Amino acid sequence: GQQLNQSPQSMFIQEGEDVSMNCTSSSIFNTWLWYKQDPGEGPVLLIALYKAGELTSNGRLTAQFGITRKDSFLNISASIPSDVGIYFCGSYGKLTFGQGTILTVHP
Amino acid sequence: DAGITQSPRHKVTETGTPVTLRCHQTENHRYMYWYRQDPGHGLRLIHYSYGVKDTDKGEVSDGYSVSRSKTEDFLLTLESATSSQTSVYFCAITTGTTGELFFGEGSRLTVL
Repeated sequence: GQQLNQSPQSMFIQEGEDVSMNCTSSSIFNTWLWYKQDPGEGPVLLIALYKAGELTSNGRLTAQFGITRKDSFLNISASIPSDVGIYFCGSYGKLTFGQGTILTVHP
Repeated sequence: DAGITQSPRHKVTETGTPVTLRCHQTENHRYMYWYRQDPGHGLRLIHYSYGVKDTDKGEVSDGYSVSRSKTEDFLLTLESATSSQTSVYFCAITTGTTGELFFGEGSRLTVL
């Protein structure tokens, strides 16, 4: 089946630093979705990408749909403590998700 | 808010007992999904439904069954719970053709 490899698995950063994480696939995807999960809650959609090469921003978050259609990137600028959580990449079709990136932000 | 309610939110049970988790939605969405979340594995699809009495298996369906007799309810059943089914279970729906999933708050199941 489809596999999504997300990296890094975890990140420990200082408040104010920028964050970058990525997701790669063994298959071509038509949609890339990025979710954030706060502790004890369900994942919430952050950004959705629908076209190869698309670059989309949502506040301090920026995500890109790779031109090969096999990867996507999520960047968070000027991190703050409330950015803590697990970030998942995912795609439509078989609704596959990556393993998640656990982000810890030290004040 | 996609109007998704999961119940129970927490459950502790013993190996070999049956367990049913309920997902209820209030907005008449056609597509519903059950995922489990485990450390190191992310979210894995168990079963999904395209409508009433229309269900299919996901990536990790062994040991699970589902039923959807009404649009608003999608039930996940563990016929005989095992310790490997200790997990957090999430229900999700999609609102249209874009594939954007909206998740419930999760049900934490512990099988002793």
